[in-house]
Amino acid sequence: EAGVAQSPRYKIIEKRQSVAFWCNPISGHATLYWYQQILGQGPKLLIQFQNNGVVDDSQLPKDRFSAERLKGVDSTLKIQPAKLEDSAVYLCASSLAGLQYFGQYFGPGTRLTVT
Amino acid sequence: QQQVKQSPQSLIVQKGGISIINCAYENTAFDYFPWYQQFPGKGPALLIAIRPDVSEKKEGRFTISFNKSAKQFSLHIMDSQPGDSATYFCAASRQNRDDKIIFGKGTRLHILP
Repeated sequence: EAGVAQSPRYKIIEKRQSVAFWCNPISGHATLYWYQQILGQGPKLLIQFQNNGVVDDSQLPKDRFSAERLKGVDSTLKIQPAKLEDSAVYLCASSLAGLQYFGQYFGPGTRLTVT
Repeated sequence: QQQVKQSPQSLIVQKGGISIINCAYENTAFDYFPWYQQFPGKGPALLIAIRPDVSEKKEGRFTISFNKSAKQFSLHIMDSQPGDSATYFCAASRQNRDDKIIFGKGTRLHILP
């Protein structure tokens, strides 16, 4: 079974530029999560989708971050404009349904450096 | 109330020793407590999880001990091996498919060969 795919793996941009990350979840997984992991900290949930609907985006900085999941499969996370404090690893995860019963599977992440 | 506090921040253990990582939570509504293992350049992977209706769960060399009254839980790695060197995160969530999972800040474990 193929895992969660993410691209790009690394990205370096200057502040005020825009960037987009792509995620392809495990086939058949209805729930998709985007996390931000700052160096030395645990992952922090940015947004959770159930199929193509948003379940939780309470910690998404909506003035600069946006995410979509078209057709309930792939998802993109965009930052515009980027700030220095956005430097982090952006992790995508997916789950068949409820994470407690089916587990949550993470992709390798995209390491973003904002200079 | 949503925090999960994890300690220590880093840990060095001799090969064959026992590694112990502790976590504490405040929200008594939490009822699912997973541990994740993360290697450099990889995403976290679920290692083992426990629900508060049991006080201990063991899978191979990994054991979770759970103290509901103290609102604490810990991960014990028996016979620690160099391959166990990674960052470990405890987490907590509620038994509801829409509830988000709250992660601790992580413990960087290094096993000396």
